[in-house]
This record gives sequence, structure tokens and C-alpha cells, in this order.
Amino acid sequence: SQTIHQWPATLVQPVGSPLSLECTVEGTSNPNLYWYRQAAGRGLQLLFYSVGIGQISSEVPQNLSASRPQDRQFILSSKKLLLSDSGFYLCAWSGVREKLFFGSGTQLSVL
Amino acid sequence: TQLLEQSPQFLSIQEGENLTVYCNSSSVFSSLQWYRQEPGEGPVLLVTVVTGGEVKKLKRLTFQFGDARKDSSLHITAAQPGDTGLYLCAGGPNSGGYQKVTFGTGTKLQVIP
Repeated sequence: SQTIHQWPATLVQPVGSPLSLECTVEGTSNPNLYWYRQAAGRGLQLLFYSVGIGQISSEVPQNLSASRPQDRQFILSSKKLLLSDSGFYLCAWSGVREKLFFGSGTQLSVL
Repeated sequence: TQLLEQSPQFLSIQEGENLTVYCNSSSVFSSLQWYRQEPGEGPVLLVTVVTGGEVKKLKRLTFQFGDARKDSSLHITAAQPGDTGLYLCAGGPNSGGYQKVTFGTGTKLQVIP
């Protein structure tokens, strides 16, 4: 069966520090991978998606970047965090249909 | 830009009551999904509806896709505390590019024992 791992679960970082969130998927090949951000108790905003290794599409201009160095690995990064980068970050994967399977999320607090 | 508005935004009810959550848009979607999310966790898919007018039942939950595929509803019968969570609808695009799934604004449900 397929599983998705996302870490860390919580992260507190000072403004201006770098960021690296990692997500890996097991049990499937060539998944579509996504990074979402969620404001407290609200809907999800798509940040990045990837249909293959090295292929990244950005949905909104921002202080973040994404990379896919391996088929089942997706990384969210920033060189210098801003206060506005705080939020709940979710990694997800999908197969041939539009069903999304999410990781357990990372709560990022930038202070 | 496709937008999905959910109503109500918040809902607090007593155990045993019935409720309906609505998901509305001016855009047509190829499919519509409902997710439930608990605090500190990722959303979990409940159901996908793909045909206009389609009705799906999942135990005490009934999902309906509007005839014009622009809206959907989720009805819960005899709500239980375990139903508490954030309910999200998500619409799939007509182009078939599933990377463009649009999420609704969310409905936070609290069921009081």
C-alpha cells in the first residue's frame, strides 16, 4: 500500500533563517506531488506541484521554492524565511485520478 | 480562477442532530471530492462524485453533486462526536489536469456529546 511521510511535524524558525521540509512517498511510482499551505481552519492553497523528477510548477509567487531530486521525494525550501511564511504545510500525492493523499503536515512558526 | 465557497463556515451541533454542508461555485467541475481533516493532520478523502446529479452514501454521510456540476452538498444524519473536524470540498478541473484541483473554504464542524 502507498504511504506518504512528511517531516518535521512542527518547526519554529527565526525570521531570515533557511527552511527545508521533506516529503517522501512509498508504494507507488511516478506520482504527482504537491505542496499546499493552509491557514488555520481554512482551505488549502496550492504552492507547487510536480509531475516528474526535476519538473516543478509554481502556483503563486512567493518566498519559497520546491525541488524533486528523486521520483518519490519532494522538498520545500526557503533561503530566508519571512513572518508571512508561517502556516501549516501539507505534502500530497496523486495517481491517475484526481484523488489526493496527504501527509500529516508540518506546522511552521516563523518568529 | 475557479472558486469554491463552503457554507456554513462554522457549525456547532448536539450529538444526534442532522446537518448539511454546502459547496458552491460558478464554475463547472469534472469531479468533486470531499475530505475531512482533524487538527494537526492532513485531509483524508471521503468520497469522489463525477456525474451531475450523482448521490453517494457513506454510512451516515450522503454526498450529492449538482446537476450542472457546479455545486455539491454533504448531509450527515445523526451526527456523532467522531464527525467533528474540518470538511473540505475540492473540485477537479474540466481540462483533466488534476494538478489544478481547487479546494473550498472549509466548514468546521463540532459535534457536542
